[in-house]
Amino acid sequence: GAVVSQHPSWVICKSGTSVKIECRSLDFQATTMFWYRQFPKQSLMLMATSNEGSKATYEQGVEKDKFLINHASLTLSTLTVTSAHPEDSSFYICSAHPGLAGGLGTDTQYFGPGTRLTVL
Amino acid sequence: DAKTTQPNSMESNEEEPVHLPCNHSTISGTDYIHWYRQLPSQGPEYVIHGLTSNVNNRMASLAIAEDRKSSTLILHRATLRDAAVYYCIPGDKIIFGKGTRLHILP
Repeated sequence: GAVVSQHPSWVICKSGTSVKIECRSLDFQATTMFWYRQFPKQSLMLMATSNEGSKATYEQGVEKDKFLINHASLTLSTLTVTSAHPEDSSFYICSAHPGLAGGLGTDTQYFGPGTRLTVL
Repeated sequence: DAKTTQPNSMESNEEEPVHLPCNHSTISGTDYIHWYRQLPSQGPEYVIHGLTSNVNNRMASLAIAEDRKSSTLILHRATLRDAAVYYCIPGDKIIFGKGTRLHILP
């Protein structure tokens, strides 16, 4: 149980285009989802917290107009990188937090496999 | 968020136990201690978590100091598959530090 998927697993795009990444909780409902970014040889950096049915909360220094987050249902959150540039190339990872209502009884997060974005 | 201190890297021989330490002296009384690990090119994987008592699961054991200012993740019999970066994360907001890169020697 507690599986989180991401789609696509990798994407290559041209500079200036937008890219959408999906994060799904497959066997539980996630009231909260999180988006992280990881550059090579660095740790994961939390970008934003996404709550179902409300606006995302962005960490300091993360541009909300560039990284659009939509959490339309209890099993799906999307991250759209708008007008992507080469410096946005990174490994994007989502996680899902079921909360107590999810039946797992903890505040443990479960992570997706990541999406590698390369912007040419 | 509680500050953590972990060794940058550790080595262990295959099939031997591994003890990964973590100091989290600023942890608050209600913060759980989570451990995650990340294999190369993958998302982090949940390992174990605890609050005050020692915890065991099929992956590992977690020993928590009585004052909760430190904890130790114990892999009872390391395999090559356990080579990863291990992150100790106190608190309900999962913020990653630098972690410990564990090398397993065959």
